[in-house]
Parts: sequence; C-alpha cells; structure tokens
Amino acid sequence: KAGVTQTPRYLIKTRGQQVTLSCSPISGHRSVSWYQQTPGQGLQFLFEYFSETQRNKGNFPGRFSGRQFSNSRSEMNVSTLELGDSALYLCASSLSGLKAGELFFGEGSRLTVL
Amino acid sequence: AQSVTQPDIHITVSEGASLELRCNYSYGATPYLFWYVQSPGQGLQLLLKYFSGDTLVQGIKGFEAEFKRSQSSFNLRKPSVHWSDAAEYFCAVGISGNTPLVFGKGTRLSVIA
Repeated sequence: KAGVTQTPRYLIKTRGQQVTLSCSPISGHRSVSWYQQTPGQGLQFLFEYFSETQRNKGNFPGRFSGRQFSNSRSEMNVSTLELGDSALYLCASSLSGLKAGELFFGEGSRLTVL
Repeated sequence: AQSVTQPDIHITVSEGASLELRCNYSYGATPYLFWYVQSPGQGLQLLLKYFSGDTLVQGIKGFEAEFKRSQSSFNLRKPSVHWSDAAEYFCAVGISGNTPLVFGKGTRLSVIA
C-alpha cells in the first residue's frame, strides 16, 4: 500500500512569488491535514480537508490556502511568499479524522524562500 | 486550548541505556495522546497512541508510554536504546474526533557508543 506522497520534495522560491504543494493521501483516506514545521515553532497546524471541504483551519494568514479534490488529493498554496515561510510542509492523511486512529505523514516538501 | 510541553530539547544517551522522554499536556479532560518519531529528512511515524483503557501502552520498535492523569503526563520509555533510535520525538494531543493534533516542540535524541 503506497504511503502519503508529497511533491515536490524540495523547492526554492523568491520573496513575492507563490507556490503550490501537492499531497496524495493513502488510498481510501478521506482526511488530509497540512502542517508547517520550522525549528523555532515546531509543527503548526495549517488546515484539514475532508471530502473536499475544509473542516479545520489553523491560525495562518489568508496567503495560505488549500483545497481537496474528489480523489482526496490535496494542494496547498502560499501566495506572496515571505522569508518566514521557509519551512518543511508536511501533509498527513487519515481514514476519517483523529478518532479513526492515526495520522500518516508524508516526507514533506521543503520550501526555501530567498 | 490544549498545549503540549516537552521539557527536554535534546537528550544524549549511550547505546544500551534506558530512555525516558517527558511529555506534559494541559487540558481539562483526558485527551487522545500520541508519540511520533521523525528521522532526518523523513516525515513523522506513529510510535504509539492512547485513547482510553490501560494506561501503559506498547508501541512499535520496543517503545512504551504511560499515561498518568494526576500528573498530566504521557512519558515515552524504552529499556535499551539502539543507535537507530537517534531521531526527533514528538508528543501530540488531540481533544476530540475531528480537531487537529497539537504537537510539542520535540525532543532530539542522540545515541552515543
């Protein structure tokens, strides 16, 4: 069974640009969550999608957005990039949310903003 | 809102020695509790979880954790550490079926010969 796949794994952008990250969850998983990981702040929750609907949202500015498609694949977009957006962006999938058991994480997309 | 504290930023242990990583949470009721491990360049992998019942839970790779309600703690233990256990360990807390996990800042484990 394939795990959670995130693309691209590494990318470099400059300030002001935008970026789109992709996440393919484990087959059959309907919930996809996104986290930002930085050395100073640790793992911070961005948003969760379930059946194409945003179910939870963290405390991030509107520059951070996401969506989920009918096949459960998810994308997140960051517009007008800032230096502070440099981070590892982790996607996690689960069957139906927390109670179903556990989050399965991808290896992340490492974004560097210059 | 719930919060998670991992008091130790970095711990170094000798191979074969025992290990205990501390985790304390702040929440009025009993939350769902998790320990994840992250190896360099990798995502997070679940080691073990506690929802209810027996307060001592067994996980993968020989890890166990004990939930102590009176201390609001969920410490991770391993009787004998292997060099491959060197990684970053995260404690996480959830409070209901559809709310996002809150993670601690992590404890980096180094293993020396």
